[in-house]
Amino acid sequence: EDQVTQSPEALRLQEGESSSLNCSYTVSGLRGLFWYRQDPGKGPEFLFTLYSAGEEKEKERLKATLTKKESFLHITAPKPEDSATYLCAVQAMEYGNKLVFGAGTILRVKS
Amino acid sequence: DAGVIQSPRHEVTEMGQEVTLRCKPISGHNSLFWYRQTMMRGLELLIYFNNNVPIDDSGMPEDRFSAKMPNASFSTLKIQPSEPRDSAVYFCASSFSGITGELFFGEGSRLTVL
Repeated sequence: EDQVTQSPEALRLQEGESSSLNCSYTVSGLRGLFWYRQDPGKGPEFLFTLYSAGEEKEKERLKATLTKKESFLHITAPKPEDSATYLCAVQAMEYGNKLVFGAGTILRVKS
Repeated sequence: DAGVIQSPRHEVTEMGQEVTLRCKPISGHNSLFWYRQTMMRGLELLIYFNNNVPIDDSGMPEDRFSAKMPNASFSTLKIQPSEPRDSAVYFCASSFSGITGELFFGEGSRLTVL
């Protein structure tokens, strides 16, 4: 059973069409939830850390939120340059200091 | 500042050959991670080091895989002998100890084993 599940697998948006990506987790003893962006042929790039339910973080057109069971990455008025794979990862007591990554959501924004 | 530097960027080899991947972490970072990424399994942690000491190698798939960190500025991941199922992108990442969720990844080494 997957501990970290991301949905949808792929998302196509028109430029300016806001939407959300989901990351649900079933781990116990969450220490932190992390969002990364990965461009083709590159390594993942850190975006946000969330530690507790109710916490929110923002960066440009992106806002990440956290509940006890899931996290959302909201993308407001996306631009083509926001096209990438977005990965979430959890750090939990049951895994020590390791990050467990989800499979990612491939986002394509068309102009 | 230079980021995490990995070499080679691409490696094509034949089954049975030895493969060595190299990583130079960001100066001042004292945690180093080796990940493998495939379409089927996503990003998987193979091994991580803290202060040059291997802390958790439970993700290393089998004895054919080995990793070393002889000093704070260099690490290697070796596969011997290589097999076609080892084909993947291998990433090295580093971080400040204690902030282990915020990782800085290299650009990866794409390995193809024929």
